[in-house]
Amino acid sequence: EVQLVESGGDLVQPGGSLRLSCAVSGVTSTPHWMTWVRQAPGKGLEWVANIKEDGSETNYVDAVKGRFTISRDNAKNSLYLQMNSLRVEDTAIYYCARDVALAGLHWFDPWGQGTLVTVSS
Amino acid sequence: SYVLTQPPSVSVAPGQTARITCGGNNIGAYSVHWYQQKPGQAPMLVIYYDGDRPSGIPERFSGSNSGNTATLAINRVEAGDEADYYCQVWDTSRDCPVFGGGTKLAVL
Repeated sequence: EVQLVESGGDLVQPGGSLRLSCAVSGVTSTPHWMTWVRQAPGKGLEWVANIKEDGSETNYVDAVKGRFTISRDNAKNSLYLQMNSLRVEDTAIYYCARDVALAGLHWFDPWGQGTLVTVSS
Repeated sequence: SYVLTQPPSVSVAPGQTARITCGGNNIGAYSVHWYQQKPGQAPMLVIYYDGDRPSGIPERFSGSNSGNTATLAINRVEAGDEADYYCQVWDTSRDCPVFGGGTKLAVL
């Protein structure tokens, strides 16, 4: 059974940077697409970014393009999200999830427990 | 961009059937996935490919999708089913996922 554990969330000032990590355990021999989804306090789910199995393709929501970078290290079974130029509106719980990609469709299972990022002065 | 519309809340008595809708333009042409999020917890997949259940999800959970509406049905609702439920599709025109706004299920 795949388990995901996020870390790295913190309180940071606007304009600052943060790097989130997601440790993947119980993996099969085949890597999967991976994704980050965030949830602002009291709000719904917002997809942030995803990355292909070998890291050769990445996609981002428009709101974070040019500021966030998703990456992975399959040798370490880890996923990362480098967040620069953080804004107050980036405040959210950030979840990593396995991105199940089949026939061009994607859904997310399982999810980590989330890590809280707070952007405030 | 593609928009998914869910009712903010649905209320149901224990033992009854809850139906949570997800509206979208010709959503029947998409595959819809559903997530359950209990208070203070991470989301969990309960239905994928419109109506398939991951292992461990009770048969009380089912999904359907046709026309402009997808529906998550929960039979014999229990107090433990109280949660927020989100629908999701993959927008192939923009190559990104879209989530509905979420529906809070209250068990009376």
